[in-house]
Amino acid sequence: DQQVKQNSPSLSVQEGRISILNCDYTNSMFDYFLWYKKYPAEGPTFLISISSIKDKNEDGRFTVFLNKSAKHLSLHIVPSQPGDSAVYFCAADGSEKLVFGKGTKLTVNP
Amino acid sequence: GAVVSQHPSRVICKSGTSVKIECRSLDFQATTMFWYRQFPKKSLMLMATSNEGSKATYEQGVEKDKFLINHASLTLSTLTVTSAHPEDSSFYICSANGPGGYGYTFGSGTRLTVV
Repeated sequence: DQQVKQNSPSLSVQEGRISILNCDYTNSMFDYFLWYKKYPAEGPTFLISISSIKDKNEDGRFTVFLNKSAKHLSLHIVPSQPGDSAVYFCAADGSEKLVFGKGTKLTVNP
Repeated sequence: GAVVSQHPSRVICKSGTSVKIECRSLDFQATTMFWYRQFPKKSLMLMATSNEGSKATYEQGVEKDKFLINHASLTLSTLTVTSAHPEDSSFYICSANGPGGYGYTFGSGTRLTVV
């Protein structure tokens, strides 16, 4: 049973436009969510997080939105840059370990 | 702050040999470390949770005799792939969770190729 789902395996956007990456979860006990960015052959790097007591967290070009009633979170990147091209993993914090989604590959075209 | 160093970054070994991967928290004490494996086009799969001073907790389906984990100190956890086979070739990543609220910091990963 996949508790964290990223239903879009890939996303392609034009440079300067908004990138929206989505993530759904099933376990209502998750209380902390994270987004990681991963380049090929490298470990994931932490990008941004959000606590379940909030519905929005912003850090520069990156904003994460959390809709607890829908068990849905999204990562917005504005404006998108070619260097943002990577795989983005959504993760939920539960029971002392992270549960990851399968990732979404973002391609930002110049 | 909150740096996790993983070594080696790449290793090629012969089938049947053992390989040790180290995961170190450089500027914090990690009471818990996690070992993940990434399969092509798939998400990170948690293999085991390593707790300092006690036995690791393995996820279902992970062979504990094949993937030996040692967490002898608050800054070091090791994963040893014993009697490696080509199907063990993968990207292994560790992460650490320290008491200082750093959250989960990932190492840079190790690309293991078994030939």
